[in-house]
Amino acid sequence: DTGVSQDPRHKITKRGQNVTFRCDPISEHNRLYWYRQTLGQGPEFLTYFQNEAQLEKSRLLSDRFSAERPKGSFSTLEIQRTEQGDSAMYLCASSFPQGAYSTEAFFGQGTRLTVV
Amino acid sequence: QQQVKQSPQSLIVQKGGISIINCAYENTAFDYFPWYQQFPGKGPALLIAIRPDVSEKKEGRFTISFNKSAKQFSLHIMDSQPGDSATYFCAASTEGSARQLTFGSGTQLTVLP
Repeated sequence: DTGVSQDPRHKITKRGQNVTFRCDPISEHNRLYWYRQTLGQGPEFLTYFQNEAQLEKSRLLSDRFSAERPKGSFSTLEIQRTEQGDSAMYLCASSFPQGAYSTEAFFGQGTRLTVV
Repeated sequence: QQQVKQSPQSLIVQKGGISIINCAYENTAFDYFPWYQQFPGKGPALLIAIRPDVSEKKEGRFTISFNKSAKQFSLHIMDSQPGDSATYFCAASTEGSARQLTFGSGTQLTVLP
C-alpha cells in the first residue's frame, strides 16, 4: 500500500496520560499536514511541515501538543496530559506541490483517540 | 471563525435522483475548492476540485458549479446510487497558506435503494 499510513488506528487512554501517533506520508510528498476531526464536524487544521520544517501551527494546537518530522519523512504527533476534550480522529495528509498549484492532499485513515 | 459554510447537514435522496450540496466561503483569497468524500472509519478522499477561473467542472456523475461573485460553490451528484451514501465535505485553500484546507461541516448523504 503506497498511501498515507497512520498508526495506531485506535487508541484508548486514561486522562492525564501521554499519547503519540505516527504518520508515514506518501514517499515523494514533502508537505505533511495534521488535522483533527471531531464527531459530526469537518477536519480542522492543526499543523504543517515542509520537509522537516514545521512552518505553521494552528491556535488549536495547545502547549500539550507537539509534532515532529525528523529527516522529512514520517511524522509524530504527541499529546501530553490528555484531556477528554482531546478525544477525536487525528488525520494526517501529504501532498507534493508542483508548479503554480499543489497537487491534492491525500489523507490517511486516521487515528481515533478516546480519552476516558 | 467558520470560513466555509456547508448545507444541508443531511440529505436523503432516492436512487437515481440528484443530490445537491451547497457551500459558501468568506475568504476571497481562496483559490482551490475541493470536495471530499468520507466513509465511516476512513479518511477523506478527494472527489473533485475546481479553481475559480472556471464556473463548472464535471467528472462522471459529479459536477461542481462555482459562482465567484456570490462566493458559493455546489456539488451535484447525478443518478445517485446507494454506494454514494457517505459524508461529503467541501473545502477551500490558498497557496499562501501552503494549501492547508478549511473544511465545511459536512453533509451526510443517504441514497435509498
